[in-house]
Amino acid sequence: DAGVTQSPTHLIKTRGQHVTLRCSPISGHKSVSWYQQVLGQGPQFIFQYYEKEERGRGNFPDRFSARQFPNYSSELNVNALLLGDSALYLCASSNRDRVSGANVLTFGAGSRLTVL
Amino acid sequence: GQNIDQPTEMTATEGAIVQINCTYQTSGFNGLFWYQQHAGEAPTFLSYNVLDGLEEKGRFSSFLSRSKGYSYLLLKELQMKDSASYLCAVSGNKLVFGAGTILRVKS
Repeated sequence: DAGVTQSPTHLIKTRGQHVTLRCSPISGHKSVSWYQQVLGQGPQFIFQYYEKEERGRGNFPDRFSARQFPNYSSELNVNALLLGDSALYLCASSNRDRVSGANVLTFGAGSRLTVL
Repeated sequence: GQNIDQPTEMTATEGAIVQINCTYQTSGFNGLFWYQQHAGEAPTFLSYNVLDGLEEKGRFSSFLSRSKGYSYLLLKELQMKDSASYLCAVSGNKLVFGAGTILRVKS
């Protein structure tokens, strides 16, 4: 089975531009979460979507937006890019782990955004 | 809000045992996760604790004390491939990650 897939893997933008990042969850997973990971830090929660509805939002400005499509794939959009937006953007889909019963996030490989 | 603390870096020798601690403060608690992240890769799930006590999974074990807001990840029989960042994450209304502990395993 394919894991969580993200595109593009790497991209370079300049300040003020916008970017769209894409994510396809594991087949059967209905929940998608987006995280931003700056070098040397843990992932920071941006959004969670479930069944196309926003279920949670982290402490990020309105320049960040997302949506989930009927096939459960998702897009993260960032407008008016700043240098500080340079980071690895991780998408994760979740399902209940059979052994532990926990709602476990499975991450994609990420999209590395560099803003110049 | 939520606050998670873990050491920044640790170094251990191949074959040894290492314990990575995590303390947390949270307004809601639905469980604590440990993830492993190799440099340049995505985090991968290691363990989950929701009740107090020790969960063992092969060479890795994780412990939780909810009353103390404390967890640790225990890695036994260390291998070079265990060199990675280990992320403690607490689940409340969202999953919040600590900054991670970089573990370096030396021969």
